Amino acid sequence: NAGVMQNPRHLVRRRGQEARLRCSPMKGHSHVYWYRQLPEEGLKFMVYLQKENIIDESGMPKERFSAEFPKEGPSILRIQQVVRGDSAAYFCASSAAGGNNSPLHFGNGTRLTVT
Amino acid sequence: AQSVTQLGSHVSVSEGALVLLRCNYSSSVPPYLFWYVQYPNQGLQLLLKYTSAATLVKGINGFEAEFKKSETSFHLTKPSAHMSDAAEYFCAVMLTGGGNKLTFGTGTQLKVEL
Repeated sequence: NAGVMQNPRHLVRRRGQEARLRCSPMKGHSHVYWYRQLPEEGLKFMVYLQKENIIDESGMPKERFSAEFPKEGPSILRIQQVVRGDSAAYFCASSAAGGNNSPLHFGNGTRLTVT
Repeated sequence: AQSVTQLGSHVSVSEGALVLLRCNYSSSVPPYLFWYVQYPNQGLQLLLKYTSAATLVKGINGFEAEFKKSETSFHLTKPSAHMSDAAEYFCAVMLTGGGNKLTFGTGTQLKVEL
């Protein structure tokens, strides 16, 4: 039973390019969460999605960032026109349900470096 | 709004010594509290969680944490450190009834020396 799969593990982009980060939740999980970890900081919540719906995007920057979780396929976190400050580790987590008693399972993250 | 504060960004202990990692929380409602461990270049692994049942929570790898409402604390302990415990540890809070959104502390890097 594969865990949460994120790819790529490492992504290097030049300033102004687009970054697309993918997350396949655990089998049977329909709730996906994206977190960002800046150097020397804890993880910060970005967005919570269910299939085809954004439930909570209170942590998403207002510009350049978007997320989707289509009916088929992985969840995608998209960063347009990347800047150096976007360099961070981006973690995806999934759960079977949205309630407090449904544990979160984290992927190994995508480390984005913007040069 | 809820938050957690982890005192000490770096903690160093000798192998076999007691591990104590501190976490204080702030929440307007009774929270759920968590400790996660992160090994280099990996994701977060759940060590233990408090969900308003027993105040002393036992987790994996010999770790435990005690919820103290009067002190708003949820410190993580392990009686005897092992070299394999070297990692970064994160305390996190989740509002009850607030979905699965976690608020993390800034982490404590644990170093275990011979």
